[in-house]
This record gives sequence, structure tokens and C-alpha cells, in this order.
Amino acid sequence: SYELTQPPSVSVSPGQTARITCSGDTLSKRYAYWYQQKPGQAPVLVIYKGSERPSGIPERFSGSTSGTTVTLTISGVQAEDEADYYCQSADSSVIYVFGTGTKVTVL
Amino acid sequence: EVQLVESGGALIQPGGSLRLSCAASGFSVSSNYMSWVRQAPGKGLEWVSAIYSGGSTYYADSVKGRFTISRDNSNNMLYLQMNSLRAEDTAVYYCARDRRVVQYGLDVWGQGTTVTVS
Repeated sequence: SYELTQPPSVSVSPGQTARITCSGDTLSKRYAYWYQQKPGQAPVLVIYKGSERPSGIPERFSGSTSGTTVTLTISGVQAEDEADYYCQSADSSVIYVFGTGTKVTVL
Repeated sequence: EVQLVESGGALIQPGGSLRLSCAASGFSVSSNYMSWVRQAPGKGLEWVSAIYSGGSTYYADSVKGRFTISRDNSNNMLYLQMNSLRAEDTAVYYCARDRRVVQYGLDVWGQGTTVTVS
């Protein structure tokens, strides 16, 4: 089955830049999406179509793609950004796949 | 306000059945794609099922043949009928508005409902 691989954890100091990668064979052909999930809460969409930000999402969140790897970048990390982050794409036009998830810790 | 509210989660024995409900407000379930996503305790997100606006339905291999997604257009409700439940189906189940047609992802999520199979 199709898999999207993320690092289990990323640690960053406040004000620094956090980069979370997501790797998968079809990411060069299909859009990636990113979700933020805080403990006990539902996920929230933070990036769609690889690099677009929904309204209400701070500009410090950005997305990029290079080959089969997509990256979520959080510039000027704030304490409130501490959360789990999941990438998501599709292995076909109908089946969604989520990444393994990355816990971002703000030191 | 655009909102989704799930209900129906419970403690159920293996082999049992359960129906989850998702009440939508602020938009029409019938004119949108909708998905169910689950999260086992301490684990990541897993897409479960989707229903398209035209009525086509799709399932993850892990639930195919056991779960059925449906909707009630008149009451603006989404459902997930779960049969032959297994311990590995234990999870928080979220419904979400699925904007894949416009490449917008899962843009509205409910708060989740907990299913425990034990």
C-alpha cells in the first residue's frame, strides 16, 4: 500500500524555522495537504494544493514541493505552533493517504 | 457558520455493529464530497471512506465490506454504518468536508466521536 513518510519529531526554539518533510512516490504527481492537530482537538487544514494557505492561517506557514518530497515550513515558530502535523495526498483519485505524522516541539 | 457534529460513538463488543452520525450545518452534504477519517489511540490519521456528491462511495481496504457510508440529504446528515467490528477499529472517528474537486483538501472537521471495540 502507498505510504507517506514523515520524521517522528522536530524540535525548534521560538522564533526559529521548523521544516517538516513528507516523502512519497506519487507526491511528484499529486497535490499535498498539511494538517495541524493539537492534543484533544480535530485536525485543521493549514496548507492545500501543496503551497496555498487557507484563510485564517498565519503567513508563517508555507508549503513547497521538490520531486517526491513536500515540505511544511513554519517560519518564526511560536509556542502555539506546538502540535502534530500530518501531510496527506492520494494514491489514486479516490483513496486518500495520510503521512505518519510529526510532533513539533517548541523548546 | 459551517460546522460538523459527530455522534453515535460507544463501547461495543467485537463483532458488533454501530452507526455513526454527522450533522452538517452551514453547507449542504448532498452537494459536497464528504469523508470519514479515524485516529486510533496514540496513532496517526487514517482515511476511512468518502461519498461523492453524485453518490459514489469509496473505502479503505481495512474497512471495505464491513463499513458503509451514506447520507440523508433532507436532514443534511452523513452516516457511517460499521459492522463486524474489530478491536483495531477502536478510534476517534471524524467526519470532514472533502473539497478534493477543487484541490482544497479536508477543510472542515467535526470534533470526533469515540468508538471502543472491546
